Amino acid sequence: AQSVTQPDIHITVSEGASLELRCNYSYGATPYLFWYVQSPGQGLQLLLKYFSGDTLVQGIKGFEAEFKRSQSSFNLRKPSVHWSDAAEYFCAVGAGYNKLIFGAGTRLAVHP
Amino acid sequence: SQTIHQWPATLVQPVGSPLSLECTVEGTSNPNLYWYRQAAGRGLQLLFYSVGIGQISSEVPQNLSASRPQDRQFILSSKKLLLSDSGFYLCAWELAGSSYEQYFGPGTRLTVT
Repeated sequence: AQSVTQPDIHITVSEGASLELRCNYSYGATPYLFWYVQSPGQGLQLLLKYFSGDTLVQGIKGFEAEFKRSQSSFNLRKPSVHWSDAAEYFCAVGAGYNKLIFGAGTRLAVHP
Repeated sequence: SQTIHQWPATLVQPVGSPLSLECTVEGTSNPNLYWYRQAAGRGLQLLFYSVGIGQISSEVPQNLSASRPQDRQFILSSKKLLLSDSGFYLCAWELAGSSYEQYFGPGTRLTVT
C-alpha cells in the first residue's frame, strides 16, 4: 500500500540556518510528489510538486525538493530559513483514484 | 483565477446536533472536490471525494455524509454529531486530470461539546 513517512515530528532551527525536511514514500510506480505548508489555523498551501523530469524542483518561498528514486525520498530544503517559515509541512504522494496520501507532518520552529 | 471558500470558519455544536459545512469553488468547471479532517496534532484524513455532481465516494465509514448538489459546491453533513467529530475540516479542489494537484480552502474549526 502507498504510504508517506515524515520521520521528524518537530524540528527547530535558527533563523538564517539551512533546513532539510525528510520525506520517504512507498509507491510502486513513478510517483507524483508534493510538499504543502500549513500555518496555524489555516488551510494547506502547495509549495512544490514533482511529476517527472528534473529531479530537483523549485517551489515558492525559496523552497526546493529533490526526488531520489533509489532512496524513495523527496526531501524539502531551504538554504536560509526566515522566521515566517515557522509552520507545519506535509509531504504527499498521489496514490491512484484521485487520492493524495499525506505524511503526518513536520512542525518547524524558528529561533531568532 | 480560482478561489475556494469554506464556511463557517468556526463552529461550536453540542453532541447530537446536526452539521452542515459548505465549500464552494470559483473560477473553474467540473473540479474534483475533497473533504479532509485534521485532528489535533495529526495529519490529514480523506473523508469524501467527488468527481461530478451527485457522485460521492466515501473513504471512512462514520456518521458523516457528503453531497454535491452543484458543480462547484460540496457539502459535508451529519445528522447527529459525536464528540469524536471535533477537528479541522478542509475542503480541496483539483482540476480533473491534473495529476493530484489539490488546492485547499481555509478550513472550518469544529468543536463538539
